[in-house]
Amino acid sequence: RKEVEQDPGPFNVPEGATVAFNCTYSNSASQSFFWYRQDCRKEPKLLMSVYSSGNEDGRFTAQLNRASQYISLLIRDSKLSDSATYLCVAHGEGTGNQFYFGTGTSLTVIP
Amino acid sequence: DTGVSQDPRHKITKRGQNVTFRCDPISEHNRLYWYRQTLGQGPEFLTYFQNEAQLEKSRLLSDRFSAERPKGSFSTLEIQRTEQGDSAMYLCASSRWGGNQPQHFGDGTRLSIL
Repeated sequence: RKEVEQDPGPFNVPEGATVAFNCTYSNSASQSFFWYRQDCRKEPKLLMSVYSSGNEDGRFTAQLNRASQYISLLIRDSKLSDSATYLCVAHGEGTGNQFYFGTGTSLTVIP
Repeated sequence: DTGVSQDPRHKITKRGQNVTFRCDPISEHNRLYWYRQTLGQGPEFLTYFQNEAQLEKSRLLSDRFSAERPKGSFSTLEIQRTEQGDSAMYLCASSRWGGNQPQHFGDGTRLSIL
């Protein structure tokens, strides 16, 4: 079983739509969580960290549910520029200090 | 903050050759990571350093893969006797020490084995 699992999609949504991605992690010792964005043939770039209380950055909202070991990302008012692959990441000192990446969820925002 | 730098950006070589990639992390970051990424997959962890110490290398794909960070600054990843299955993007990332510190990635080195 992979340490982090995501629905690969693809998600195709119209501009202005709200879209949500979920991700599950298997190691309960994971302590830190992140969402990264990766454009085609580019490196991953940090989108946001995920805090236990949930956090928001503009149109993006991240949630963490430790009991169920899942992380979510909500994108409101989708823009064409949001089209990318979104990678879910779990990390912890107790997991050998490794960052475990999901396979990514592909999003295409359609005009 | 000049970002993580990787060199070369692309490498094309024949099967059986050795290749070496370089990564320069963000200067104040003491942790450095190497990943491999293939099409449609997320980055796959290979190894990491804290300063000059290689603290995890069990995920290196085979004994043909090795990494060094001799002075705790830049790092190199070497693949000996390359095989076609080694074709991938090799990513380097760095972070500060401590909990909840995200990684920052370089542009990657794309390796193609002929």
